Parts: sequence; C-alpha cells; structure tokens
Amino acid sequence: AQSVTQPDIHITVSEGASLELRCNYSYGATPYLFWYVQSPGQGLQLLLKYFSGDTLVQGIKGFEAEFKRSQSSFNLRKPSVHWSDAAEYFCAVGGFTGGGNKLTFGTGTQLKVEL
Amino acid sequence: DADVTQTPRNRITKTGKRIMLECSQTKGHDRMYWYRQDPGLGLRLIYYSFDVKDINKGEISDGYSVSRQAQAKFSLSLESAIPNQTALYFCATSDKEDWSDEQYFGPGTRLTVT
Repeated sequence: AQSVTQPDIHITVSEGASLELRCNYSYGATPYLFWYVQSPGQGLQLLLKYFSGDTLVQGIKGFEAEFKRSQSSFNLRKPSVHWSDAAEYFCAVGGFTGGGNKLTFGTGTQLKVEL
Repeated sequence: DADVTQTPRNRITKTGKRIMLECSQTKGHDRMYWYRQDPGLGLRLIYYSFDVKDINKGEISDGYSVSRQAQAKFSLSLESAIPNQTALYFCATSDKEDWSDEQYFGPGTRLTVT
C-alpha cells in the first residue's frame, strides 16, 4: 500500500529565509507525486506535480521540488519565503487502482512565517 | 464562478440526524472524490467515483454513503451523524484524460455534530 510521511508537523521561518519541507513516500512503482497548499479557510491548491522526466520540478508561487528515488523523497523548497506563504502544505502520492489513480496524503506541515 | 462547489459551507447538526453534503462541478470531469480532513491526520478518502456507474469505498467509508446523480454531482450522506464525524469535508474531481490524475478541490464543508 502506498503511504506518505511528512515528518515536520510545524515549521517556522523568517520572511526572506529559505524553506524546505520534507516528504517521504512509499510506493512499489514509479509514483505520481504532488504538493498541495491549503491557506486558512480555503480548499487545496496544487503547487506542483511529478511523474517522470526531470527530477527537479518547478511549480507556482516560486516553489520547486526534487524527486530522489534513492531516498524515496520529494521535498518542497523555496529560496525566499514571503509572509503570504503561511499555510498548511500537503504531500501526496498517487497510485493506480483499477481505472484511475487514488491519492494518499501526508498529515501536513503547518508553515508559520515570522516577519 | 468556482469550478467545484460544495453546499453547505458550514453545518451544525445533532447526533442521530441524517445529513447530506453536496458537490457540483463544471469542469466536465468523470472522476469525483470525497475526503475528510482532521487536524493531524491530513486528508483521508471516504468514497470515490470514476464515472457515474462506478462508486468505490475509500479507506474510511463506514457511516457514510454516496450518490452520483450525474457526471457533475456527487453527494455524501451521513445516515446517522455522530460527534466523531465532526470534520472538514472536501470534494475533488479529476480528468481521466490527465495522465497524472491531478485532483481539483472544492472549498470544503465544515461539519459539526453535537
């Protein structure tokens, strides 16, 4: 069965500092990997996704993520955090199951940005 | 207008009551999903439907039922609500033509069972 681990429940960074959110997955084949962001009171918005090709993926809002098969990781990064990035971030892995993919989500990382 | 809408956005109900949460989409997607979100647990899949005639249980379907009335509508029912069903519920859709099956989420329904 597929699974996702986000080891950091909360992270606090200063505005302008760099950010890395960790994600480790378990899946038997090449996974579909996603990062979603949830702002307070909002639904989930896709930041970026990976299936194949270049292991460094660019997303919206200046985010990027790197797929490392050897480490089963898909960490999210941003070189300079803005106060508006404060939100909850979810990593997800997609696995094929009889007709389509199902997503399994991690438990999320809550990002706080200090001004 | 939003592509995926959920009604109601907030609901307070009492233990034992039957309630329905509704989801509509204008994206033309075949696949629809219901999740619940609890603090510290992330999102967990309740039910999913890959087309109008295909409905499947997710990892936490006990106490819930669904109805896919049309391609655009997917409803979630709590037959007899209990307090531990208090949560934030999300509907999502995806396009079967999309190799990645990226999911698009509604704004959520906050349900409180007293």
